[in-house]
Amino acid sequence: QLQLQESGPGLVKPSETLSLTCTVSGGSISSSSYYWGWIRQPPGKGLEWIGSIYYSGSTYYNPSLKSRVTISVDTSKNQFSLKLSSVTAADTAVYYCARQDGGEGAFDIWGQGTMVTVSS
Amino acid sequence: QSALTQPASVSGSPGQSITISCTGTSSDVGGYNYVSWYQQHPGKAPKLMIYEVSNRPSGVSNRFSGSKSGNTASLTISGLQAEDEADYYCSSYTSSSAYVFGTGTKVTVL
Repeated sequence: QLQLQESGPGLVKPSETLSLTCTVSGGSISSSSYYWGWIRQPPGKGLEWIGSIYYSGSTYYNPSLKSRVTISVDTSKNQFSLKLSSVTAADTAVYYCARQDGGEGAFDIWGQGTMVTVSS
Repeated sequence: QSALTQPASVSGSPGQSITISCTGTSSDVGGYNYVSWYQQHPGKAPKLMIYEVSNRPSGVSNRFSGSKSGNTASLTISGLQAEDEADYYCSSYTSSSAYVFGTGTKVTVL
């Protein structure tokens, strides 16, 4: 069955760029039916959608984060990635990657999440 | 974009039914049938429970049901069980070609 796994540094310094990768296994990231998204959750708080990407590279982002976010895809590695620049303590969160059913649809399969702390 | 509004907490006794509301605007909940609901247990990733307002993914109990009226969507859990105690989040596609989550509701089984 399809599985997603986040990877990347657990600690990032303020003003630097947070970089995470999501590896998709058990299926192809190039499936025409799905988008692939990033969602985060600060400690003790709710979920926040960051952005989503199609295997062709088409992206759409949360307007409140758009100026700092880049999501990219590498179909040869069956991976997609997140870069968030100029991070502050407010970006400390668990970051999830997930499969999205179409550009407007629900997130039906999630990774386990990875905690990223922004601190010097 | 503002988060969709949910009650902070809802509680019920085993066997009872509870309903969680999710209020948005005509630019999100009211404008699209792309409303979904997620269950999240502590320390775990969210799990999709309802998609496109009222559809259940394979494997989700039929005790969970969804509906929508105007700008408000609802999740009903019938026959409440101890394992239903968790946080629940709604979400919706928006007219800004974006995606927004609700504020979250903690469900307590008394």
